[in-house]
Amino acid sequence: SQQGEEDPQALSIQEGENATMNCSYKTSINNLQWYRQNSGRGLVHLILIRSNEREKHSGRLRVTLDTSKKSSSLLITASRAADTASYFCATYQGAQKLVFGQGTRLTINP
Amino acid sequence: GAVVSQHPSWVICKSGTSVKIECRSLDFQATTMFWYRQFPKQSLMLMATSNEGSKATYEQGVEKDKFLINHASLTLSTLTVTSAHPEDSSFYICSASSGSTYNEQFFGPGTRLTVL
Repeated sequence: SQQGEEDPQALSIQEGENATMNCSYKTSINNLQWYRQNSGRGLVHLILIRSNEREKHSGRLRVTLDTSKKSSSLLITASRAADTASYFCATYQGAQKLVFGQGTRLTINP
Repeated sequence: GAVVSQHPSWVICKSGTSVKIECRSLDFQATTMFWYRQFPKQSLMLMATSNEGSKATYEQGVEKDKFLINHASLTLSTLTVTSAHPEDSSFYICSASSGSTYNEQFFGPGTRLTVL
């Protein structure tokens, strides 16, 4: 079963605006990862945040983690048309099994 | 970064035939490879985990006799969909990891299977 749940399921914003996606999970984690998937393509690893970290930045990406609420958020600032994709959070269930959330389909309108 | 390839990128086959999909780690040794299935507008679902030289571990609900996985070397794993049916049509994605626990997985570009 999917451990992560994401909201919103779909998000449509104007280019230049910020996009925020949320992920919730059910069990304790070692780390949480965010991936991007362009339509019909494989996954691109965006960022990994460890359970003892609260916030992490990578370029225009900002990820937060609240282990007390079992939730994480991904913020994309100054969005571009090329950011249009599906975004998934993923956590480990056990040591090897990566479980993905349902994903957020992000559309950036020019 | 680590590169994982899949071949073919897409395949169309007739119902009842078997299809083999290859997953290769191009620049690192993958001790563990994973096979996922993704239906349209849905998330990835893990099908099986394979460690080099061992039998694959299948997730609940995945038929091991239908989805044959071979991980004969540290750079190659294959998934064979036997006696494919239209409901097997999906996007199959592999990933590879060089470690045993909590290691980053590197994903292939996926294979689109359409069974007529």
